[in-house]
Amino acid sequence: NAGVTQTPKFQVLKTGQSMTLQCAQDMNHEYMSWYRQDPGMGLRLIHYSVGAGITDQGEVPNGYNVSRSTTEDFPLRLLSAAPSQTSVYFCASSYSIIRQGLNSPLHFGNGTRLTVT
Amino acid sequence: AQSVTQLDSHVSVSEGTPVLLRCNYSSSYSPSLFWYVQHPNKGLQLLLKYTSAATLVKGINGFEAEFKKSETSFHLTKPSAHMSDAAEYFCVVSDRGSTLGRLYFGRGTQLTVWP
Repeated sequence: NAGVTQTPKFQVLKTGQSMTLQCAQDMNHEYMSWYRQDPGMGLRLIHYSVGAGITDQGEVPNGYNVSRSTTEDFPLRLLSAAPSQTSVYFCASSYSIIRQGLNSPLHFGNGTRLTVT
Repeated sequence: AQSVTQLDSHVSVSEGTPVLLRCNYSSSYSPSLFWYVQHPNKGLQLLLKYTSAATLVKGINGFEAEFKKSETSFHLTKPSAHMSDAAEYFCVVSDRGSTLGRLYFGRGTQLTVWP
């Protein structure tokens, strides 16, 4: 049982490049989400999904796209990278936000450290 | 509207002394509250959660937190700090009135433990 797996661990991009951050979980969790962590800002929600085929925007969605074609995978796409997207990105999943009444804890991956130059 | 305020961005204690990390929240509904810990270069790990059962919640590694509705607080404590407790701690509130499970994170408290 691997939990939440994020790849790559580190990435350097030039401004304007695109890339996809991968996230996979093997716990059959319905809820998956992407956060970015910046110094002094805590974690901010980018996008989330309550099940396959369902996604929605969080606090800071601009510049990012997501899709959820399977329960296991929730990739985050940067369409045209900007220096403001330099951050540490965390994927997190939870059993079921809706049925559990929002009290299911999140399981986090180890993060992807992204630098945009 | 929901929000979380962690009152200290940094806390320093000596090993063996008590730890207090403070968290205040605002929520329109009956909240679920969590504390997570993040060690360097790692993801976040759940320490404990409050979901309207007992107001004093015990977590892993000797941590506990008390939900005080009248003070809208959920402070994290530990009687005796250990060097391995040095990490960043996040208070999180979940609004159980919403069906889509938005979580709101505090900005974090960095705990330093001196030998």
